[in-house]
Parts: sequence; structure tokens; C-alpha cells
Amino acid sequence: GEDVEQSLFLSVREGDSSVINCTYTDSSSTYLYWYKQEPGAGLQLLTYIFSNMDMKQDQRLTVLLNKKDKHLSLRIADTQTGDSAIYFCAESKNSGGYQKVTFGTGTKLQVIP
Amino acid sequence: NAGVTQTPKFQVLKTGQSMTLQCAQDMNHNSMYWYRQDPGMGLRLIYYSASEGTTDKGEVPNGYNVSRLNKREFSLRLESAAPSQTSVYFCASRPNRAENTEAFFGQGTRLTVV
Repeated sequence: GEDVEQSLFLSVREGDSSVINCTYTDSSSTYLYWYKQEPGAGLQLLTYIFSNMDMKQDQRLTVLLNKKDKHLSLRIADTQTGDSAIYFCAESKNSGGYQKVTFGTGTKLQVIP
Repeated sequence: NAGVTQTPKFQVLKTGQSMTLQCAQDMNHNSMYWYRQDPGMGLRLIYYSASEGTTDKGEVPNGYNVSRLNKREFSLRLESAAPSQTSVYFCASRPNRAENTEAFFGQGTRLTVV
């Protein structure tokens, strides 16, 4: 199977850290992405990680990849109300000459002031 | 600073009607994509165009056709709309097919088929 799974909902208090988790099933995935979708908008790429990396940090965002367990996480430090959105993880691999990107179901992050 | 522009933003169709969703990008990108987003299912690729003049099927192409009119524009057509095609449709573009290039998404078209 090629499912990408995420929990549907996460609620955190402003100032706390948020951790959004994702599991994927395709070990041949080469890149893994985190996208953010604000209400009524398209998806915006937050960050991506190459599959041979364990961690990537970008300001308040930390991506951890456990390739053995096929587990990806996104940590948002000092979560703000503006971080409220739906977060999608996605994996990509080459498939028949094109880059196949499979998206997870999305995790809705609610930040409580 | 337009990026990827989709029209219309909202549309209601009756079963059997046809319509074309328009998408244009002003970033000189080679690759363009059409996705549909359904609750609990993430985004699924309908069709993509790796470069001007080429189009290929994605995961869920049935009931749709596409046209890569030129490098800027990639349209999605529903010839005979069905309620199962009620969804939010996103167009995306990226510079090329390389996996480490960012995909830019339009704001989406919310389509309801009654």
C-alpha cells in the first residue's frame, strides 16, 4: 500500500510546541514534504526533507524522519495563533517517469490563545 | 505577484452538465498539475503536464480531460459532471519534475454537483 496517514486533529495552547505526526508505507520515497493549508487557500510548502536525512531545522520548524519506522514528524516551537491551519505530509517517488506525490489526509491544528 | 490563478473559485453544476476549470501560472514553470481534495483523503492527482505539449493521467483521471494550452495555462474539463466529482480542485505548478522543487498551488475551485 501507499497510504500516508496522519491524525486528523491537534489542539495546543499558544506558546506550547506542536508535534504533528505522519506515517508512510513506501520505503522507496525520496522526498518527504510538509505543506500548510490555511482556510480558503491552497497548499503552501513549509519544508521538505530528503530521505537520507534524519532531521532538518528551519527557524521554528523541526522535521524528524525515522526511515526505519517510516515515521515523519513536524515540530512547531512556540506555536502561534497564526499557525492554525491544516498540515499535510506528503511523500514522493519516481513512478513510471513522473514524480508521484502522495498526500496524507491532513492534520487540523487548532491553537488556543 | 499572481503565482497560480484558478477560476472560478466556486461553481455549482447539475448532473450531466459540462464545465472547464481554468488554471494559469506566471512563473514560467514547466510542470503543471490538477488535484482534487476530498475530506479524509488528502490530495489525489487527476492529471499532470510535465511540459508544454504533454499530458498524462494521474491517480484518478476518469471523468476528466485536460488541455495544456500553452506553457502558462492548464485546463481541466468535466464533460458530464457527476455528484462524485463534488470536491475542491487545486491546480499546481513547479519549475520542473525534480522532486526538490517547490510546488505552488492555486487557491482552489470548490465544485458542487447536484
